[in-house]
Formats: sequence, C-alpha cells, structure tokens
Amino acid sequence: QVELQQSGPGLVKPSQTLSLTCAISGDSVSNDNAAWSWIRQSPSRGLVWLGRTYYRSEWYTDYAVSVKSRITINPDTSKNQFSLQLNSVTPEDTAVYYCARDAGAGLYYFDYWGQGTLVTVSS
Amino acid sequence: SSELTQDPAVSVALGQTVRITCQGDSLRTYHASWYQQKPGLAPVLVIYGKTNRPSGIPDRFSGSSSGNTASLTITGAQAEDEADYYCSSRDSITNHLYVFGNGTKVTVL
Repeated sequence: QVELQQSGPGLVKPSQTLSLTCAISGDSVSNDNAAWSWIRQSPSRGLVWLGRTYYRSEWYTDYAVSVKSRITINPDTSKNQFSLQLNSVTPEDTAVYYCARDAGAGLYYFDYWGQGTLVTVSS
Repeated sequence: SSELTQDPAVSVALGQTVRITCQGDSLRTYHASWYQQKPGLAPVLVIYGKTNRPSGIPDRFSGSSSGNTASLTITGAQAEDEADYYCSSRDSITNHLYVFGNGTKVTVL
C-alpha cells in the first residue's frame, strides 16, 4: 500500500517561498514507471496540476506554464520523498496543496494522494 | 487552454442511477479518470483508463466515453456516494499535462 505524507508550514508571507515535502512509503521516488506530482485546489480555480518529477534513467521535471517561472520540484532519494518550492507567493497562491502519484503506463491518472496541506499566504 | 466541463450539481434518489458527464477536446485522444472528494479529504480515484476501477471501489461505479464526452455512472447510489466528483485527463493542448474538470456535486436524496 502506497502512502504519501505531506509536511510543511500552513502560513507563508507574501513574496516568500512556499515549501512542502511529500514522504513516500510503499513505493520509491525512483520508480521508473511512476511520476510524482504536486496539485493544488482552491475554491476559485478548482484542481490545478502544478508539476511533476520522475525517473527514467535520469531525472526529469515538467511544470505547468502558469507557475513555471516560480516552481521547483525536487526528488530526494536518500529520504524517499519529493518537494515543492513555489517562490514569490501572493494571496492567489492560497490553496490546499496535494502531492500525488501517477502510476504510469501512459494513462495519466493519480492513484495515491497525500492528505493535503492548506497553505495560506498572508502577512 | 484545454478545459473539461462538468455540470455543477446533480441529485439522485437513494438506490437510483445517476450519470455525470465531462466534456472536452482532450477526451477525443486521452482517457478520462474520475475522482470522488468528500469535504476536508483528498480526492480518491474511482475510475481510470476510462472504465477501470481501482481495488476497493464498489462496482456500482462505472465509466464510459464517446467522442469528446466521458461519463461516470453510479448505479444504485448510496448515501455515502454523496460527494464532489472530478474528471481528469491528459491535456492535449497546453503544458498543463493534466487537466481537471470543474467538478460535479452529487446529492443523494
């Protein structure tokens, strides 16, 4: 059974960096079939995919155009986890953030999700 | 950008059947997946690859598609099926690799 456990602060000041971590159990971040994503959800924008990292003999990342200039997703093989950093946040970045696994096979679905972290951007 | 459009809300009598639809150009090329979300909880995958159910999902949930429309059907809806349902697929147009629908609130009467 795969479990994703998120951690990170729930309050970030405007212009600062949002940082979250997703610890994986029951699978490996280096699984060369899976991909590991960050998704956020807000009442105004619904569910929005932010980016992903995955390993296929080397590490790759893909980012949504809407956040590409501000986002970094990194794997950490020593801790079997991956992280999200979102720079220069504004109140519009206030949302529940989820990490999730795409099991692969080219079907583009998320079979496991983290518990979610409400991040509020406010001074 | 590519979009997936869902009806905002639908209601169903206990034990009856309800169909939720999702429309979008990407569905002509890519399979839809469906997620159930209850208040305060993360989404749960209920259908993937258009028609497949993950282990543990009741067989009253089924998926289908035709053209640019994917559907999730709940046959014999139960009280515990009351939730928000979201469709998703690969996005064939933008660099948002994954796109989600706006969600359908299912109320079981």
